Amino acid sequence: EVQLVQSGAEVKEPGESLRISCKGSGYSFTNYWISWVRQMPGRGLEWMGRIDPSDSYTNYNPSFQGHVTISADKSISTAYLQWGSLKASDTAIYYCARHPRSTYNWFDPWGQGALVTVSS
Amino acid sequence: QPVLTQPPSASASLGASVTLTCTLSSGYSNYKVDWYQQRPEKGPRFVMRVGTGGIVGSKGDGIPDRFSVLGSGLNRYLTINNVHEEDESDYHCAADHGSGSNFVRVFGGGTKLTVL
Repeated sequence: EVQLVQSGAEVKEPGESLRISCKGSGYSFTNYWISWVRQMPGRGLEWMGRIDPSDSYTNYNPSFQGHVTISADKSISTAYLQWGSLKASDTAIYYCARHPRSTYNWFDPWGQGALVTVSS
Repeated sequence: QPVLTQPPSASASLGASVTLTCTLSSGYSNYKVDWYQQRPEKGPRFVMRVGTGGIVGSKGDGIPDRFSVLGSGLNRYLTINNVHEEDESDYHCAADHGSGSNFVRVFGGGTKLTVL
């Protein structure tokens, strides 16, 4: 079964750093992109950026560029999303999702989501 | 890049049919759109992709035959026939724009479907 399993919920204070993870299983991790998607409380979905785990090539939504870093460790089939300095406005659920490099590049499957709460 | 517009809410009675709409901004009538279902407190799941010729590729795993799509002009439709209680979800549409370093995936605001 193809699965993306994300790390658990986090509670942080403003200014702290954080890295959350997304582990793929049941498929060849380096053959698919991994994207990260934000969902703020009661809001819609926002694409943050993606990574090709085979070579760690990334591209970002300009709205998130410079505030987050996407990385991957193909040896353990895991992608990461990290912040150097969190803000209260980073409070959201973060999803990872797999998508192929082909024309049929819809997001499938998605991880279960990781709730990040930033509060003093 | 395109803007995708969805009505914030829709409702349907049990057993009825409902059509959800995702509207692309002007100039993007050839774009394909993905539909995703997000049940309460769950992550999204892929439903299917739609272009002006109808479904593109195949449905997501476990998506019943009651779900179908249609595309016309700037509109991309998701129709659910014989609505079940389990269909009560948020439905999001998404489209890709650009390629390589200019790639962006854009989402609509989502439609909350209430089953009456």
